[in-house]
Amino acid sequence: QKEVEQNSGPLSVPEGAIASLNCTYSDRGSQSFFWYRQYSGKSPELIMFIYSNGDKEDGRFTAQLNKASQYVSLLIRDSQPSDSATYLCAVNTGGGNKLTFGTGTQLKVEL
Amino acid sequence: DAGITQSPRHKVTETGTPVTLRCHQTENHRYMYWYRQDPGHGLRLIHYSYGVKDTDKGEVSDGYSVSRSKTEDFLLTLESATSSQTSVYFCAISPGQTERGQYFGPGTRLTVL
Repeated sequence: QKEVEQNSGPLSVPEGAIASLNCTYSDRGSQSFFWYRQYSGKSPELIMFIYSNGDKEDGRFTAQLNKASQYVSLLIRDSQPSDSATYLCAVNTGGGNKLTFGTGTQLKVEL
Repeated sequence: DAGITQSPRHKVTETGTPVTLRCHQTENHRYMYWYRQDPGHGLRLIHYSYGVKDTDKGEVSDGYSVSRSKTEDFLLTLESATSSQTSVYFCAISPGQTERGQYFGPGTRLTVL
């Protein structure tokens, strides 16, 4: 079974700090990786996509991928209370553009 | 927001009754998916479709069936609802290009008593 693992949290960071969210995956053949943000009671929202080793930056968000270690991370700089949400890591697992999701990490940004 | 709607948004039903959830998209995307989300389990794929009348099973398909007679509509049916099917159900769509990922509808909260 292809697995995606995340620490459930909650991860608490002070406003303005860097939040670091981590994800590991089991399928070495995985090629594409996604981060979704989900506010309580809402649907998941795609925020980042990465497929090459290294870093990809988009505004305050940076996704990092290390395929050798089967590790994906999301850094959120200058964290804001509005970033408080659950962050889901997802891995493309083959045909049909299917994704396997981790259970998510709850992030709390405190004033 | 991607043009995805789900109906109903909330439903309470009784064990043993049939239930149909509808997903409607206005994006003309090829792929459509049904997930359920439960505490401790995250999002799990129930069924997906890669075209009209083309569907396949996901990770947790037992007790569920789907149909897609038009590009824009993907129906999920619980033939005989059980309490274990109490969950939040999300529909998602994808154009197929890997980098586009999937886009989710607003969800349906289903309670089976």
